Amino acid sequence: KQEVTQIPAALSVPEGENLVLNCSFTDSAIYNLQWFRQDPGKGLTSLLLIQSSQREQTSGRLNASLDKSSGRSTLYIAASQPGDSATYLCAVYSGGGADGLTFGKGTHLIIQP
Amino acid sequence: DTAVSQTPKYLVTQMGNDKSIKCEQNLGHDTMYWYKQDSKKFLKIMFSYNNKELIINETVPNRFSPKSPDKAHLNLHINSLELGDSAVYFCASSLRGGGSGNTIYFGEGSWLTVV
Repeated sequence: KQEVTQIPAALSVPEGENLVLNCSFTDSAIYNLQWFRQDPGKGLTSLLLIQSSQREQTSGRLNASLDKSSGRSTLYIAASQPGDSATYLCAVYSGGGADGLTFGKGTHLIIQP
Repeated sequence: DTAVSQTPKYLVTQMGNDKSIKCEQNLGHDTMYWYKQDSKKFLKIMFSYNNKELIINETVPNRFSPKSPDKAHLNLHINSLELGDSAVYFCASSLRGGGSGNTIYFGEGSWLTVV
């Protein structure tokens, strides 16, 4: 059974810092991995999607890496801004089950102005 | 124009009632999903629906049933509501199923409170 863990559970940093969020998964047989952002009272917004054959994806100040064999992914946020404050969720697709994503519990990020 | 929309956004109801949450996507996607986010903010897949094929998470009670009148809609019906059903329910869609590697788009959630 696939399990996804995110560390840290919460993080507070001053504006302008670069930061790394970590995600690990127990079964390396994944098809893809996605990073999402969730704002309070809102749905999820997909940030980056990495296929199992890829090593990383970049979008603006965000860079996500994937090391499938070791079951790890990181989300790097450069030059953080207060608007980046949100909960960041990592999810993997492994097939089976109800054909849906398996999510971690998220990292609650606060960027201090 | 909202890509994935759900109604109602908030729903408070008594135990034992039957309720429905509606979901519509205007993205032309083939696959739709329902996820549940519990009080600990943990998101879990409940159902996926692709071209009339329904895949159910075996942990979901049979009081929950998805109904799809057409490809753009996947409604969630819940019978005999229990206190433990209180959660946020998210509808989502993707062009194909999860294994195809398509981005999944989520609605803004429906907050269900059972009293």
